[in-house]
Amino acid sequence: DGGITQSPKYLFRKEGQNVTLSCEQNLNHDAMYWYRQDPGQGLRLIYYSQIVNDFQKGDIAEGYSVSREKKESFPLTVTSAQKNPTAFYLCASTRRGLSGANVLTFGAGSRLTVL
Amino acid sequence: SQQGEEDPQALSIQEGENATMNCSYKTSINNLQWYRQNSGRGLVHLILIRSNEREKHSGRLRVTLDTSKKSSSLLITASRAADTASYFCATDGGGDFQKLVFGTGTRLLVSP
Repeated sequence: DGGITQSPKYLFRKEGQNVTLSCEQNLNHDAMYWYRQDPGQGLRLIYYSQIVNDFQKGDIAEGYSVSREKKESFPLTVTSAQKNPTAFYLCASTRRGLSGANVLTFGAGSRLTVL
Repeated sequence: SQQGEEDPQALSIQEGENATMNCSYKTSINNLQWYRQNSGRGLVHLILIRSNEREKHSGRLRVTLDTSKKSSSLLITASRAADTASYFCATDGGGDFQKLVFGTGTRLLVSP
C-alpha cells in the first residue's frame, strides 16, 4: 500500500537535545511538507520541499532543519534552539494534479514531548 | 500566518442531524480544500472546490464557496457518530501552489 510513514509515533526529549523525526513516502510524490500542530490549533508550515536537494522555509522554520537527499525521504530535526518544541508534527506529500491543485496526503504524525 | 478561520470552533449534534461549519479566508485563492482529522491522527482530504465553482457535492458532503465574501461552508448531512473529528479548511493563497495554509479547525462531536 502506498502511503507516508512517520516515526517515531511518540518521542520524549530532554531540553537541549536535538531530535530527528523521520518521514518516508512511497507515493512517488515530488513535494513534501512538515507542519506543526499545537493543541486545539490549526497546522503551521515549518518547511517544504518541491524537489530533491531543495527546500524552503515555511512560517515557523526557526529552530528546525530539514534535508531532502532522496525523493522518498524528508527528515525534520528539532534543534535545541526551538524554544517550545512540544507539539504534534505532521508530514505530508503531494504530486500536483493536472489542474494545478495541491491535494496533500498526510502521515499519522509524531508527538514530541520535551521533559 | 493562518489563512483560514473556521466557525464554530466546536459543534455538538445528535446522529441524523446535519452539521454545518464555515471557513473564512483573507486572500484570493485558486481553490479551497476541506480535510478531516481524527483525534491524534493525520489529516485526510475530503473535497476540493475551485475558485470558479460555487457548490460541490461528494456523498454526504456539500461544500459551497463565495469568493466575494471569501468564505466557504461544509455541510455534512445525516451525520453519524463516526463523523466525530476535527475539520479544517485549507487554501493556497492564490499564488504558490506548493504552499497550503490551514485554518484553525472545527471540532465536531456527533452523539449516538
